[in-house]
Amino acid sequence: DTGVSQDPRHKITKRGQNVTFRCDPISEHNRLYWYRQTLGQGPEFLTYFQNEAQLEKSRLLSDRFSAERPKGSFSTLEIQRTEQGDSAMYLCASSPRGIENQPQHFGDGTRLSIL
Amino acid sequence: QKEVEQDPGPLSVPEGAIVSLNCTYSNSAFQYFMWYRQYSRKGPELLMYTYSSGNKEDGRFTAQVDKSSKYISLFIRDSQPSDSATYLCANGGSQGNLIFGKGTKLSVKP
Repeated sequence: DTGVSQDPRHKITKRGQNVTFRCDPISEHNRLYWYRQTLGQGPEFLTYFQNEAQLEKSRLLSDRFSAERPKGSFSTLEIQRTEQGDSAMYLCASSPRGIENQPQHFGDGTRLSIL
Repeated sequence: QKEVEQDPGPLSVPEGAIVSLNCTYSNSAFQYFMWYRQYSRKGPELLMYTYSSGNKEDGRFTAQVDKSSKYISLFIRDSQPSDSATYLCANGGSQGNLIFGKGTKLSVKP
C-alpha cells in the first residue's frame, strides 16, 4: 500500500502530557499538510510543508503545537501540555508539487483522546 | 460567515436513488474544488477534483461547479448501501490549504 500512513492510529493520554504523531506521505509527494477534525466538523487546516520548509501555519496552531519535516520525507506533529480541547482526529495529507494545485490525499488519521 | 457552507443532513435515501449534495463557498479567489468521502473512523478519500465551471463525470459520480453563484454539487446515480458515508466538499487556492464544509452524512437504505 503506497498511501499516506499515520502512526499511531489512536493515542490516549492524560491532560498535561506531551504527544507526538508521525506521518509518512506518498513517496513522490513534495507537499505535506496537517489538519484537525472534531466530531461533526470538516477537517481544519493546521500547517503545510513543501519539502522540509514549513510554509504556512494556521492561527489554530498555538505555541503548544510544533511540526517538523526534517528531511522532506516523514513529518511529526507534537503537542505539548495537552488540554481537553486537543481531543480530535489529526489528519495528514500529501500532494505532488505541480503547476496546478494538485488534490490532497489523506491518511486515516491519529485519534487523540485526552483523559 | 464560514467560507464553505454545507448542509450536515443526515440524508437518507433508498437504494438506487439519485443523490444530490450541495455546498456554497464565499471566497472566489479559491479556484479548486474537491469532493471527499469519509467513512467512520477513516480519513477522507478523494472522489472528485475540478477547477472549472461545468460538469465533471466519473462513473456514477458527477461534480458540478457554478462559479457565478459560488455553488458546487455532487450527484450520485444508482446509489448503493456502500455509498453510505459523510461527504465533504472543499475548495482551495494555489498554495494548497483546503477549506472544508462540515460534511453531509448520507445513508442509503437497501
